[in-house]
Amino acid sequence: QKEVEQNSGPLSVPEGAIASLNCTYSDRGSQSFFWYRQYSGKSPELIMFIYSNGDKEDGRFTAQLNKASQYVSLLIRDSQPSDSATYLCAVNQDYGQNFVFGPGTRLSVLP
Amino acid sequence: DTGVSQDPRHKITKRGQNVTFRCDPISEHNRLYWYRQTLGQGPEFLTYFQNEAQLEKSRLLSDRFSAERPKGSFSTLEIQRTEQGDSAMYLCASSPNNEQFFGPGTRLTVL
Repeated sequence: QKEVEQNSGPLSVPEGAIASLNCTYSDRGSQSFFWYRQYSGKSPELIMFIYSNGDKEDGRFTAQLNKASQYVSLLIRDSQPSDSATYLCAVNQDYGQNFVFGPGTRLSVLP
Repeated sequence: DTGVSQDPRHKITKRGQNVTFRCDPISEHNRLYWYRQTLGQGPEFLTYFQNEAQLEKSRLLSDRFSAERPKGSFSTLEIQRTEQGDSAMYLCASSPNNEQFFGPGTRLTVL
C-alpha cells in the first residue's frame, strides 16, 4: 500500500516568517509530487508540483524533493495570515492515474 | 464559470438508500477523478477515467460504488445501499495532464 505521511500540526508561524512543511512517501517509484492548499470547508487547490528531476520556485513558494530520503518539502516565505490552511501533499507514480494524498498539515500564520 | 462543477452540493439520505452524484469537468480535460474525503484526512482516491474509459478503481472501493463517464464528458458516481460509513465529502477533479482541478464537492450525510 502506497503511503504518504505528513505531520498533522498545527504548525504555527508568525507573519513574515518562513513556514516549512514536509511530507514523506513510501513508494520509491513515485515520479511527481504535488502540494495543495485547502481552506476549511473548501476543496483543494493546486499550489505547485515537481517532477523527480528537480526543485521548483514560484513566487513565495518553493518545493524541494529529496529522493534519497523520500521526502518532499514546501517552503512558504513571508508567510501571511491568508496562508493559514491545510496543506496536502500528493504523490503520483503513473503520470496521471492513482494519486495518493497525505492527511495534510494545518498551518496557522499568526498576525 | 468554467471550473469543475458538482451536483448536488449536499445530500442527506437514509441508510439503505441509493444516491447518485454528478460531476461536470472542465470541458477540454480528458482525465476525471473521484475522491472521498473525511474530516482530518486527505482525499482518498476512488476511481479515474481517461475520456470514457475507467482505467483504475481503488481496491478499497466496495461493489456498492459505481462510476460512469458515458460520453467522456460528465461523470456520475452512484452509491447503492448507503451505510453511515459512507458519510463524507465526495470530490471530483479533472485534469488535462498531471494537474488536477477540484470541484466544490458533494457532502453526503447518511442517517
